[in-house]
Amino acid sequence: ETGVTQSPTHLIKTRGQQVTLRCSSQSGHNTVSWYQQALGQGPQFIFQYYREEENGRGNFPPRFSGLQFPNYSSELNVNALELDDSALYLCASSLDRESKETQYFGPGTRLLVL
Amino acid sequence: GESVGLHLPTLSVQEGDNSIINCAYSNSASDYFIWYKQESGKGPQFIIDIRSNMDKRQGQRVTVLLNKTVKHLSLQIAATQPGDSAVYFCAESPNSGGYQKVTFGTGTKLQVIP
Repeated sequence: ETGVTQSPTHLIKTRGQQVTLRCSSQSGHNTVSWYQQALGQGPQFIFQYYREEENGRGNFPPRFSGLQFPNYSSELNVNALELDDSALYLCASSLDRESKETQYFGPGTRLLVL
Repeated sequence: GESVGLHLPTLSVQEGDNSIINCAYSNSASDYFIWYKQESGKGPQFIIDIRSNMDKRQGQRVTVLLNKTVKHLSLQIAATQPGDSAVYFCAESPNSGGYQKVTFGTGTKLQVIP
């Protein structure tokens, strides 16, 4: 186990709704990254948070947003859900934001949009 | 748990044999490479990493080889065991000045035949 936890484990929403996913980073890690993993594909980088600020973003629209709290836990918010948002959402924490620090992944939240 | 390898290339190996999983990367600016193992229903698990100033690195039963000339990465697993059955992803990270974007490959499903 990596010490990274995510909640909920599974979630079902309908198109147009909003969702909030949560992640608690490994103790001592100040950087959290979020990924989307569609079935049969590798994870795709959404964004990274470092010390409560967005530190980098992948090719995802603004309806994907996030927060990081003073204890370094993080939330991923997705507005106006679309069917293609159905995926496994992974968060990963690392010791620092530098690209040479290993990221440790949580178990993911499986989101199904109907 | 759900399979993450529905449409992935598959490598079948007899238990006890060595496995070699290959990966081609595209970004010549990448200077940090990671191999992850993902079991069904779980998040990716760090296996081994290598920096671009090296061409080989060994861990416990695993070896990663990096060929920067042809942008090729491989993971060798010695004495493959049933517990090694999973989807394996290579990932790359460019030296982007404090921004840790990790790009994952498409993955290879390893099936170990008892």
